Amino acid sequence: ETGVTQTPRHLVMGMTNKKSLKCEQHLGHNAMYWYKQSAKKPLELMFVYNFKEQTENNSVPSRFSPECPNSSHLFLHLHTLQPEDSALYLCASSQDPGVNEQFFGPGTRLTVL
Amino acid sequence: DAKTTQPPSMDCAEGRAANLPCNHSTISGNEYVYWYRQIHSQGPQYIIHGLKNNETNEMASLIITEDRKSSTLILPHATLRDTAVYYCIVRPAGGGNKLTFGTGTQLKVEL
Repeated sequence: ETGVTQTPRHLVMGMTNKKSLKCEQHLGHNAMYWYKQSAKKPLELMFVYNFKEQTENNSVPSRFSPECPNSSHLFLHLHTLQPEDSALYLCASSQDPGVNEQFFGPGTRLTVL
Repeated sequence: DAKTTQPPSMDCAEGRAANLPCNHSTISGNEYVYWYRQIHSQGPQYIIHGLKNNETNEMASLIITEDRKSSTLILPHATLRDTAVYYCIVRPAGGGNKLTFGTGTQLKVEL
């Protein structure tokens, strides 16, 4: 139990669906992240939020839309995804920007049909 | 950021020490060595980090060579639950939020 929770843990969606992934951290951290991990590939950083402001978008397609309403919650809104977007989506948090000890959630296993 | 090189896989008998090497020959003076691990289908877990002195915590020990060009993560008494992919990452302290995970070392602990 890392103090970072993600829901749902598993998600199957069609290419025309709209869904959202939710992340919540109970650690009082100020920075939150979305990562993508495709099969047999290293983790890829997608987005970074520091004090609720997006500070990094790692060339992520617009069909992925992040939202950070407060320092404890982070969402990833999904629409018109492709089968190649099937992956494990991981959320993480750290105390402050620049702190490299990141705490990860268990991830959401996404399958796009 | 300095590039790291790790063996793709290692085996270790349960109860024995697991020594995981990492080469980072281009490391800069202000860069720390971080270790994370990822158990299958879970999120990565921070283990330890260090600059130039050896470090120890409840999970592991980190030995950094004097020239800082390589390091070894030591799990003193490996258990089956230590089976995971171990990542060595080099980053400056306060260097922003971008942790770059490579392919790591798949450690398999066996009976």
